[in-house]
Amino acid sequence: GQNIDQPTEMTATEGAIVQINCTYQTSGFNGLFWYQQHAGEAPTFLSYNVLDGLEEKGRFSSFLSRSKGYSYLLLKELQMKDSASYLCAVRDSNYQLIWGAGTKLIIKP
Amino acid sequence: IAGITQAPTSQILAAGRRMTLRCTQDMRHNAMYWYRQDLGLGLRLIHYSNTAGTTGKGEVPDGYSVSRANTDDFPLTLASAVPSQTSVYFCASSDSIAGGHNEQFFGPGTRLTVL
Repeated sequence: GQNIDQPTEMTATEGAIVQINCTYQTSGFNGLFWYQQHAGEAPTFLSYNVLDGLEEKGRFSSFLSRSKGYSYLLLKELQMKDSASYLCAVRDSNYQLIWGAGTKLIIKP
Repeated sequence: IAGITQAPTSQILAAGRRMTLRCTQDMRHNAMYWYRQDLGLGLRLIHYSNTAGTTGKGEVPDGYSVSRANTDDFPLTLASAVPSQTSVYFCASSDSIAGGHNEQFFGPGTRLTVL
């Protein structure tokens, strides 16, 4: 079966750095996405990785290792508004997105 | 309108009733999707459409049907609602279903409760 694993919940301090991990086992791989979802709202796109390595976009970076079936999302200089759920999704061989259950990130002052 | 709209925002429905959730996008995207999101589970694909006139089944299609008569609209119908269909439903769209960046854009969601 297909599986995406990520921690259920993480807590971090305002101004700090946090790394959210995602491991996957899917039938085929055509890219990995990270989305942010604030409570009661729709998911919004953060990043896309298809090749191994680090993609940086402002305070957010995403890393991919296809051989290890592993990705992480790195958030720097945390702000209170970063309190949200972070969803990892892999596009499989049928070009459908397989979603993890999400990591709820709690930011404390 | 800009992006994707969904209607209604929320609905309480008696079991056995028929219900259609509406979704409209104005981005001229070819591909559209319906997901349900339940606590503790990832988004699960119900149905999708690669382009107007075609539809396909996702991971959890039973009890749901869709149509894609044109590019902009992708309604989801529950023929006879059951309590297990209580969920938050998201409609999404992307330029295509194929490779490349092709991020999905999501509507605001419909919160459905079936009693």
